[in-house]
Amino acid sequence: AQSVTQLDSQVPVFEEAPVELRCNYSSSVSVYLFWYVQYPNQGLQLLLKYLSGSTLVKGINGFEAEFNKSQTSFHLRKPSVHISDTAEYFCAVRFQGAQKLVFGQGTRLTINP
Amino acid sequence: DAGVIQSPRHEVTEMGQEVTLRCKPISGHNSLFWYRQTMMRGLELLIYFNNNVPIDDSGMPEDRFSAKMPNASFSTLKIQPSEPRDSAVYFCASSFLTGQGRTEAFFGQGTRLTVV
Repeated sequence: AQSVTQLDSQVPVFEEAPVELRCNYSSSVSVYLFWYVQYPNQGLQLLLKYLSGSTLVKGINGFEAEFNKSQTSFHLRKPSVHISDTAEYFCAVRFQGAQKLVFGQGTRLTINP
Repeated sequence: DAGVIQSPRHEVTEMGQEVTLRCKPISGHNSLFWYRQTMMRGLELLIYFNNNVPIDDSGMPEDRFSAKMPNASFSTLKIQPSEPRDSAVYFCASSFLTGQGRTEAFFGQGTRLTVV
């Protein structure tokens, strides 16, 4: 079955600390991977995407993610978070040949001063 | 481009009333998606269109929900009659899809629906 799992529903971290938000997927075909961010009362905004090539992709606001095919993961990282990073983060997968994006359940990132 | 435009941003209606949500996708995009977001169920895909044709409506919760895309620049999601459990944020997204599906979806700001 094709699915996306975000293992943590909430992640609290202190300001300037590093953070990793986890995403795993299950698929028998190739995948295209995305991370979206949703600020309060806003729509979803693309942070970064992996389509092919280098497995380490860099996005906006200092975020990066690494595609690991053997572990079927696409974890999101930032070396030092800011209060303004408080938001919900969604991992999404488009399976090759499919038209729709499948979203994980989301991870709420809370930054404490 | 102004991005995906949804209207209204907020809608409060009484149970039993008809509600129509509107979406204007990004010009040139060939696919349009309607999602619903709730605390309990997260982001759910309701229906999506490709070249104005509904491709998969398996996420539409029941017959009270219907969606149309009369042309490439406009889509509606209608709920008739509305119920309190339909209260949610409804997002529209558009994308330009090739056969490989290598592109992201662009989201509107959403419509927050409250049914009282």
